[in-house]
Amino acid sequence: DAGVIQSPRHEVTEMGQEVTLRCKPISGHNSLFWYRQTMMRGLELLIYFNNNVPIDDSGMPEDRFSAKMPNASFSTLKIQPSEPRDSAVYFCASSLWGRQETQYFGPGTRLLVL
Amino acid sequence: AQKVTQAQTEISVVEKEDVTLDCVYETRDTTYYLFWYKQPPSGELVFLIRRNSFDEQNEISGRYSWNFQKSTSSFNFTITASQVVDSAVYFCALSGQNFVFGPGTRLSVLP
Repeated sequence: DAGVIQSPRHEVTEMGQEVTLRCKPISGHNSLFWYRQTMMRGLELLIYFNNNVPIDDSGMPEDRFSAKMPNASFSTLKIQPSEPRDSAVYFCASSLWGRQETQYFGPGTRLLVL
Repeated sequence: AQKVTQAQTEISVVEKEDVTLDCVYETRDTTYYLFWYKQPPSGELVFLIRRNSFDEQNEISGRYSWNFQKSTSSFNFTITASQVVDSAVYFCALSGQNFVFGPGTRLSVLP
């Protein structure tokens, strides 16, 4: 079975541009998570969904970040406008149900904002 | 608030040595789950183990073993006879009311 799929794997953009990261969770998983990893702050949970509904978005840094899950097999994380401090690796993960179940991670998207 | 502490920032060992990675957690929840993940140099996050708060049995999987002690709020990870391929950053994580990762321990196994 395919694991969690993320695209793009690498993204380089200029400050002020819109960035959209995409994720396809493991089929049959009902929960999806977005994380950000930086050297300074480590792994941070940004938002997670159960059955396509956002449950906890307390980790979303600010209004420039938004996440959607229009159906069970697709989610996006959008940054508009992007800033250099958004440079990080963004991981998507999915689990059968909720945070207490094992989360399986995608390969990540390495974002560089110049 | 929940918290995970991995006091060892970096550890270096020589191949075949045993090494223990410490994980201490804080939570007020009576039901919670603990996890270990491995992040090799290639960058992906690999699941290693999940343990619930009611199961304090130690677990062994090949060269890996885990020691869960509720009394000291610790969930330590031991690699026996380490190998170069074990070189990675290892994260401990806690899931209760919230989900939080520890800061990670970078393990370098030298040939």
